[in-house]
Amino acid sequence: DAGVIQSPRHEVTEMGQEVTLRCKPISGHDYLFWYRQTMMRGLELLIYFNNNVPIDDSGMPEDRFSAKMPNASFSTLKIQPSEPRDSAVYFCASSLGIDSGYGYTFGSGTRLTVV
Amino acid sequence: SQQGEEDPQALSIQEGENATMNCSYKTSINNLQWYRQNSGRGLVHLILIRSNEREKHSGRLRVTLDTSKKSSSLLITASRAADTASYFCATARSNSGYALNFGKGTSLLVTP
Repeated sequence: DAGVIQSPRHEVTEMGQEVTLRCKPISGHDYLFWYRQTMMRGLELLIYFNNNVPIDDSGMPEDRFSAKMPNASFSTLKIQPSEPRDSAVYFCASSLGIDSGYGYTFGSGTRLTVV
Repeated sequence: SQQGEEDPQALSIQEGENATMNCSYKTSINNLQWYRQNSGRGLVHLILIRSNEREKHSGRLRVTLDTSKKSSSLLITASRAADTASYFCATARSNSGYALNFGKGTSLLVTP
């Protein structure tokens, strides 16, 4: 398995533009998570899905952020409009389940810079 | 909000020495996990310890859990330069569903 695949790896965009981040989880994993990492705030959970259904989106900062999981093999995180304070590394992770003993598998992340 | 907090924030040791990192958390947990993150990469799962376990080993890693003190430690024995990374503890809270909460990590530098 190629692991969790995120694209793009880097994104530089101007303030006000729409940004879409993509994630392909590991096949068979029931859970998908979106995290954001900054130096100041560390790793923050944005939203997670179980069997493609959003379970907890309380970490989504504002209405500018939205996430979808149309099927078991694909998820998107969209920011519209983007702002400089959204600059961060965004990680997608997937998991079989908390009792599996395997934890979460993270993608390599998307480094977003909003100028 | 962060559940776990690692200590120290940064640690510098020489190859061959042992590295100990600590994690404290606030609420009851189902399990606690440790992850490693190399610079510019995603996090990698290292080890999971359940709330009814006190110690667990995996290769050169040893994890302890003290639920009475709400703390855990990660020991890396005979460290190598390749162990240079940030290490995070993560907790699965017992009453809040599934998602892990991560601390801010300990940055470990192992010099040859």
